[in-house]
Amino acid sequence: DAEITQSPRHKITETGRQVTLACHQTWNHNNMFWYRQDLGHGLRLIHYSYGVHDTNKGEVSDGYSVSRSNTEDLPLTLESAASSQTSVYFCASSVMISGYEQFFGPGTRLTVL
Amino acid sequence: DAKTTQPTSMDCAEGRAANLPCNHSTISGNEYVYWYRQIHSQGPQYIIHGLKNNETNEMASLIITEDRKSSTLILPHATLRDTAVYYCITRGGSNYKLTFGKGTLLTVNP
Repeated sequence: DAEITQSPRHKITETGRQVTLACHQTWNHNNMFWYRQDLGHGLRLIHYSYGVHDTNKGEVSDGYSVSRSNTEDLPLTLESAASSQTSVYFCASSVMISGYEQFFGPGTRLTVL
Repeated sequence: DAKTTQPTSMDCAEGRAANLPCNHSTISGNEYVYWYRQIHSQGPQYIIHGLKNNETNEMASLIITEDRKSSTLILPHATLRDTAVYYCITRGGSNYKLTFGKGTLLTVNP
């Protein structure tokens, strides 16, 4: 069955380290998104992509980067992890047709010490 | 995308219908209304969406007022597993992003 996966599911890292969170979908969706979720803030969009080599900043993109080299993957990189980036990260994908839903991955819980 | 307003929390008895309201008074003509839910610690799950007409699927019904300024998500026979945060979101045109608000915490009680 087609799916969207995230890895790792849990990660503990230290301040200043570079961290990459993986997101892989097998639906061949053009659109992919990264969100973070913190208590009191709900889900906030970090970066998104509408196709290969396309990337766009969301509302909380500082300190994060993404690259889209193929349809299936959108890795999220924290260039220099900060304690403020401790959060749960969700990846999602959708088709490039108006009215279609986003499918979300199971999430990655990241702790920056 | 239009701003949405939802109650912070609601309770519902198991087996009864849960009616979750959403106000989106500034919605524009090409914006869809989406409903998602998030069960604790899981990724959000799509429920239903609509543009003008009422919609029904295996999970829920969506009632959109004629002026499109508000909508109601109906879970016809709520179960304990329906306890979750429910998000009402508007999205339109070629903008495929979703903007999540705080949502409504629905608690289904035995």
